[in-house]
Amino acid sequence: AAGVIQSPRHLIKEKRETATLKCYPIPRHDTVYWYQQGPGQDPQFLISFYEKMQSDKGSIPDRFSAQQFSDYHSELNMSSLELGDSALYFCASSPEPHEGWGSPLHFGNGTRLTVT
Amino acid sequence: DAKTTQPPSMDCAEGRAANLPCNHSTISGNEYVYWYRQIHSQGPQYIIHGLKNNETNEMASLIITEDRKSSTLILPHATLRDTAVYYCIVRVLSGSSNTGKLIFGQGTTLQVKP
Repeated sequence: AAGVIQSPRHLIKEKRETATLKCYPIPRHDTVYWYQQGPGQDPQFLISFYEKMQSDKGSIPDRFSAQQFSDYHSELNMSSLELGDSALYFCASSPEPHEGWGSPLHFGNGTRLTVT
Repeated sequence: DAKTTQPPSMDCAEGRAANLPCNHSTISGNEYVYWYRQIHSQGPQYIIHGLKNNETNEMASLIITEDRKSSTLILPHATLRDTAVYYCIVRVLSGSSNTGKLIFGQGTTLQVKP
């Protein structure tokens, strides 16, 4: 079965650079979530989108922005990178809410961002 | 903040059942309990979820108490590949479209031993 696809798998950037992470949800999933997982930490919710509109916002820094496109893929844009942004970034997708948020989120295998 | 409490670690012998407890005493009537696991920095893997009835699938069973204040995830025959961090999560109805995010707590590190 198709899964959530994230690209790139690994990314190395220097401080103050920008980075763009991409997420392709499971077909017919129109809700996308972004999570950040620092070393030794649990995944932290950043932001979510439903039908190309921001649905919810968590602990996402102002330096980060995200959007969902008409084909439902999503991109997380990160500017003025800091050393502390080094983390695993996961994307997840789920069916639309009225199908039940009794429907699970399915996660991709993440993008490992290293800021040097 | 996470609405669940789990023991930080557990051991289980290979081939035996692993029973992972979770307390969620503040759960609301329409909130689901989800279980995920994470193996070695891979993406969290969905295991099972439930509202009030016990559930079973090919991976595990979920037992929810009648008052819904706690639950237990059962892996019937643990293998070495089940070694992972297991997260019990109450899915919070939130966001402008009620998309319902998952808030991860500390989880239980399950070590399956030969």
